[in-house]
Amino acid sequence: GENVEQHPSTLSVQEGDSAVIKCTYSDSASNYFPWYKQELGKGPQLIIDIRSNVGEKKDQRIAVTLNKTAKHFSLHITETQPEDSAVYFCAASIGARALTFGSGTRLQVQP
Amino acid sequence: ETGVTQSPTHLIKTRGQQVTLRCSSQSGHNTVSWYQQALGQGPQFIFQYYREEENGRGNFPPRFSGLQFPNYSSELNVNALELDDSALYLCASSFRGENNEQFFGPGTRLTVL
Repeated sequence: GENVEQHPSTLSVQEGDSAVIKCTYSDSASNYFPWYKQELGKGPQLIIDIRSNVGEKKDQRIAVTLNKTAKHFSLHITETQPEDSAVYFCAASIGARALTFGSGTRLQVQP
Repeated sequence: ETGVTQSPTHLIKTRGQQVTLRCSSQSGHNTVSWYQQALGQGPQFIFQYYREEENGRGNFPPRFSGLQFPNYSSELNVNALELDDSALYLCASSFRGENNEQFFGPGTRLTVL
């Protein structure tokens, strides 16, 4: 089955700096790659996603890139703010099938 | 807010008991997926329901079972609870099609003593 690896496990940045989280996947058939933000005591919140027919997608301060050949995708957050502090998860799936999640990255933005 | 609701928010059970968790999907969605999230880990897929039938299952034993109702709400049942079943149980709703956006509820925190 699919295996998703995520790095780093923890990331601390200063407010205003950029943060990058990287994931690799194993199944070349995967074609959907969402990113979730999970705050303490809450369920994961979908923040951005990308499909295999696209190389990059942006939404304000958040961007995701996908390299299908290398089977890796990354989340980029620019101009980080304290409210960006949370645990971020990458995931991969084939069509409408189950999401396979990475192990998470705890992002801390220092004011 | 996603519009996905789950009940109860917290639950404490003892080993060997049975538990039922409930999920109401977001309006317009017809597919419900259940995930188990152990402390400090990513969610693990349990199963998915579409048109009231199980449509894919992860690596979980048969004592994990579910239902989907005509209004697309869903239940997760766990029999013969074990200590390792302690986790956050998440429900995600989606609309089956090319788009696989899954929206999660707040989860039910299950503690097995």
